[in-house]
This record gives sequence, C-alpha cells and structure tokens, in this order.
Amino acid sequence: GAVVSQHPSRVICKSGTSVKIECRSLDFQATTMFWYRQFPKQSLMLMATSNEGSKATYEQGVEKDKFLINHASLTLSTLTVTSAHPEDSSFYICSARNLLQKNYGYTFGSGTRLTVV
Amino acid sequence: GIQVEQSPPDLILQEGANSTLRCNFSDSVNNLQWFHQNPWGQLINLFYIPSGTKQNGRLSATTVATERYSLLYISSSQTTDSGVYFCAVAWVSGSRLTFGEGTQLTVNP
Repeated sequence: GAVVSQHPSRVICKSGTSVKIECRSLDFQATTMFWYRQFPKQSLMLMATSNEGSKATYEQGVEKDKFLINHASLTLSTLTVTSAHPEDSSFYICSARNLLQKNYGYTFGSGTRLTVV
Repeated sequence: GIQVEQSPPDLILQEGANSTLRCNFSDSVNNLQWFHQNPWGQLINLFYIPSGTKQNGRLSATTVATERYSLLYISSSQTTDSGVYFCAVAWVSGSRLTFGEGTQLTVNP
C-alpha cells in the first residue's frame, strides 16, 4: 500500500500563534517526506524535504525558523508554522513514496488548508 | 532544475468530448506522474508513467522519454472529470517532484 494521512484538514488560527500539521505514512515506512505549499490558482511548490532522524532540507526562500519540520520516526513528519501571519494562509500538502512499490510513484496527503486571521 | 510545461492552461469541454493534455519537460526524468486535483484539494495519482503507455478506463497516458513529453488522454469526458490536472517529474528516483502549472479542465453537462 501507499497511504498518506494528513491532519488537520482545515485549521483557522489567530495571527502570532503556531500551528502543527501531521503527515503519516500508514502502511509503509518513509525515510523521506516532502512538504509542499499551494496558493490559490497556482501549482504546488516544494518547501522542504523531511529526512528521518536528521535535519530537513529547505528550498531557497523558505524560512527554516518559521516552518519547523520534525521527522522523528519512519512514519511521521510534522510541519509547524510558527508565529503565523495572514500571508502564511495557504494549502499545505505532504508527500511520501513507498520505495518497495517503485512502479507507483509518490502519494500525497489530503492537504491542510490554513487560514490565519 | 527541471522545467515542466503543461498545455493548455485551460480547457472547457462538453460532456462526452475527448481531450488531450500535454506535458513537456526539459531533461531526462526517472519519474513522471499525472495527478488530478479535485475541488477539495486532494491530489489523485492517475498514472506513474516515466515511459510507455498505460490505460485506466477512460484515461490513458503516453510518455515518450526520448522526446521529453507526456500526453494524458481523457475520453468521453464527464462532469466529474473537472478539476486541475498536474504533471510532475523527478530527475532521480526518490528525489523531489517538480510540478507543472497544471491544466484547469471544466466539463459542462
């Protein structure tokens, strides 16, 4: 299998607070997970690569101190948006690949719609 | 990095019509996938197709890796086919996926 579960699906938070988003691989182990962000009417842009047991690799222009990524186990990666502001409002999606099913490709979570008010 | 271009950006069809979506990529790829993003944002994996041809019901896809393009065919379109179709590629197995800008498909009854 290759099921990725993401929670919460929707969250509204006040400006200045932090929000944690969880991404779990349910039926396989994922040493690497990917976090994407999608603004309305736009494509998905990679934010960071989450590596189990080590530091995440961030794409250029993504603030690592603002978007904290933790990948403490082979089935769970978390993205924490710290001190959120309205411009952080977006759709966040995680992805992973079951390397034992190489003919399937990457699977995506259902996404988290973050609204900062 | 790899560049991915999709065409057309927008497509409006009447129910029952056929369509072809195209994805061009700038370098050799190890992974190519077609996704359908539904109105709730969920990305549905349609095909994993770094080369060759696959079919799944009314959908089929062909990737000509040597010429660096892939085509997604939708036959007898239905209103439920509406949404955004993305092509995404990876240069190396296990590396990040790079997405195209997508094709917004609207199927009218």
